[in-house]
Amino acid sequence: GQNIDQPTEMTATEGAIVQINCTYQTSGFNGLFWYQQHAGEAPTFLSYNVLDGLEEKGRFSSFLSRSKGYSYLLLKELQMKDSASYLCAVRDDKIIFGKGTRLHILP
Amino acid sequence: DAGVIQSPRHEVTEMGQEVTLRCKPISGHDYLFWYRQTMMRGLELLIYFNNNVPIDDSGMPEDRFSAKMPNASFSTLKIQPSEPRDSAVYFCASSDLRTPEADTQYFGPGTRLTVL
Repeated sequence: GQNIDQPTEMTATEGAIVQINCTYQTSGFNGLFWYQQHAGEAPTFLSYNVLDGLEEKGRFSSFLSRSKGYSYLLLKELQMKDSASYLCAVRDDKIIFGKGTRLHILP
Repeated sequence: DAGVIQSPRHEVTEMGQEVTLRCKPISGHDYLFWYRQTMMRGLELLIYFNNNVPIDDSGMPEDRFSAKMPNASFSTLKIQPSEPRDSAVYFCASSDLRTPEADTQYFGPGTRLTVL
């Protein structure tokens, strides 16, 4: 079956670094996405990985290991506005979303 | 570009009534997706279209749900009859496989549906 696992909630401190993990089991793989979703708003695209390794985009980085079925999203220099849910999604023949990780930032 | 447009933003209806949700994708995008999001089940793909043709509707919960895309700039998701368990936020998203960020989906603001 298709399954995407990520922690339900995490808490971190403003200015710190946090890593949000995602593991997946899918019959095929054509890319992994991370989306950010603020409360009451729509998901917005953060990153896309199709090859193994680290993709860096400003304060956000995303890592992929296809052999391990594993990805993480790394957020540096956390800001209060980073308080949101972070959704991991895998594209097989269609895109499947995880249930998201709610990230709380403490001042 | 105005982005993906959805209407209405909020809908409150009574059980048994017909509900129609509307979506206008980003101009030029050839894929359109309908999602449902609840706390319990997260974001679920209901159906998606490519060039106005339904490709995969395996996520549509049951026959009470139907979706159409009569042209490249408009799609509807209809629930008839509606039930309280259909209460959720329904998102429409579009994407363009011809762009460098192919598969990146752009989401509309969503329709919050409450069925009493």
